[in-house]
Amino acid sequence: GAVVSQHPSWVICKSGTSVKIECRSLDFQATTMFWYRQFPKQSLMLMATSNEGSKATYEQGVEKDKFLINHASLTLSTLTVTSAHPEDSSFYICSARDRAWAGTSGQGEQFFGPGTRLTVL
Amino acid sequence: AQSVAQPEDQVNVAEGNPLTVKCTYSVSGNPYLFWYVQYPNRGLQFLLKYITGDNLVKGSYGFEAEFNKSQTSFHLKKPSALVSDSALYFCAVTQRHSGNTPLVFGKGTRLSVIA
Repeated sequence: GAVVSQHPSWVICKSGTSVKIECRSLDFQATTMFWYRQFPKQSLMLMATSNEGSKATYEQGVEKDKFLINHASLTLSTLTVTSAHPEDSSFYICSARDRAWAGTSGQGEQFFGPGTRLTVL
Repeated sequence: AQSVAQPEDQVNVAEGNPLTVKCTYSVSGNPYLFWYVQYPNRGLQFLLKYITGDNLVKGSYGFEAEFNKSQTSFHLKKPSALVSDSALYFCAVTQRHSGNTPLVFGKGTRLSVIA
């Protein structure tokens, strides 16, 4: 099946530093990738929708200047948490949808990465 | 607006017994429905989906789900639970109209299968 990887799987950083998380679709092309945030024992909250070659669409309440998203190719999207603070500590999960479904009325399932655990000290 | 309700935070079942994890949804049009499973500190794994066709959908690891339009439900079921099924289960919905709409997730139900 389709595989999505995330790197790093976990990261610990000091408050005020920036952290970049990579999301890659390994065996398919993804026009669209999604970034989610998950707090302990809670559901996934969509942060933004990342479209290859264009600006990301952020959900209400998500600071676009703090969570920078770049989708430079059909297999890679990055999320950069700028000037991280302890409240940014969370589990960040990306997902990707196969390009074959783009622009159709169909709806392929999203393939999820394994997640990145961010801890800001 | 789309929404998903998973009314149970926790479901406990004995190994070998049938299990049901409940999910109801709300969308303005026809839904696409999904079930995902999450193990500790891991991403989500796809179990099954309903797009169209038969209301009973069979998925991975022996799981199945039944789409009930009149009750707007998509309950996850398995005839005989295994200890290894213990995990966090998420129901998700999106509306059929384009390939780029995100999923809306329920809050999750923790399944505990006791040996």
